[in-house]
Amino acid sequence: DAGVTQSPTHLIKTRGQQVTLRCSPKSGHDTVSWYQQALGQGPQFIFQYYEEEERQRGNFPDRFSGHQFPNYSSELNVNALLLGDSALYLCASSRGGHGEQYFGPGTRLTVT
Amino acid sequence: KQEVTQIPAALSVPEGENLVLNCSFTDSAIYNLQWFRQDPGKGLTSLLLIQSSQREQTSGRLNASLDKSSGRSTLYIAASQPGDSATYLCAVTGGIRDDKIIFGKGTRLHILP
Repeated sequence: DAGVTQSPTHLIKTRGQQVTLRCSPKSGHDTVSWYQQALGQGPQFIFQYYEEEERQRGNFPDRFSGHQFPNYSSELNVNALLLGDSALYLCASSRGGHGEQYFGPGTRLTVT
Repeated sequence: KQEVTQIPAALSVPEGENLVLNCSFTDSAIYNLQWFRQDPGKGLTSLLLIQSSQREQTSGRLNASLDKSSGRSTLYIAASQPGDSATYLCAVTGGIRDDKIIFGKGTRLHILP
C-alpha cells in the first residue's frame, strides 16, 4: 500500500501565477482533505472532497479551488498567487469525512 | 467556532523521563480527536485516534486520553527517547454546526540525550 502520495514535492512560482497540486489517496479511502501549513503553525483546513463534491470548506478565498476525480484522487488549484500563499500544502485521505486522517508528505510551495 | 490550543508550545526534557502534552478545545461536540507527529518539513504521521465515545487509546509508549465534557486531551509519552523529538499536533473533527477538522499549533518536543 503506497499510502497517500502528493506531487510535486517542491514548487516555485511567481506572484500572479496559477498552480495545481495533486494528491492520490490511500487505497480504500474515498475522502480527500487539503490543508495549508505556514511555518511554525498548525495545518489550516482548506476544504474536503467526497464523491467528487466539495463537502466542507475552511476560511479560504475563492482563489483556492479543487476537484476530485472518480478514482478519488484530487487536485488543489490556486489562482493569482500571493507571497502569503507560500506554505506546505498537505493532503489527507480518510474513509468518510470523520475517519482517521492519513497524510501525504506535502508539497512545499514558494511564491516569489 | 471550534478552537484548539496546545500547551506548552515547546518542551525540552532529558531522555528517559515521562511527559505529558496538553490539548484543549472549545466546542465539546466533536466526532473524534487525533494526535499526530510531524518531523521538520515533513507530513504528519497519525499516532492515536480517539472516538468521541472513548476515554483513552494506547499504542506502545503512547497513551492519549479524552475528556469531552471539559474539552481536554492529553498525550502521555513514557520513557522518552531522542527519536521522540518532533512537533506533536492534536486535531479535532466536528463541532456544533461545524464539521471541519481543526488543528492546534502543536508542541515542539526536544528530548535531550
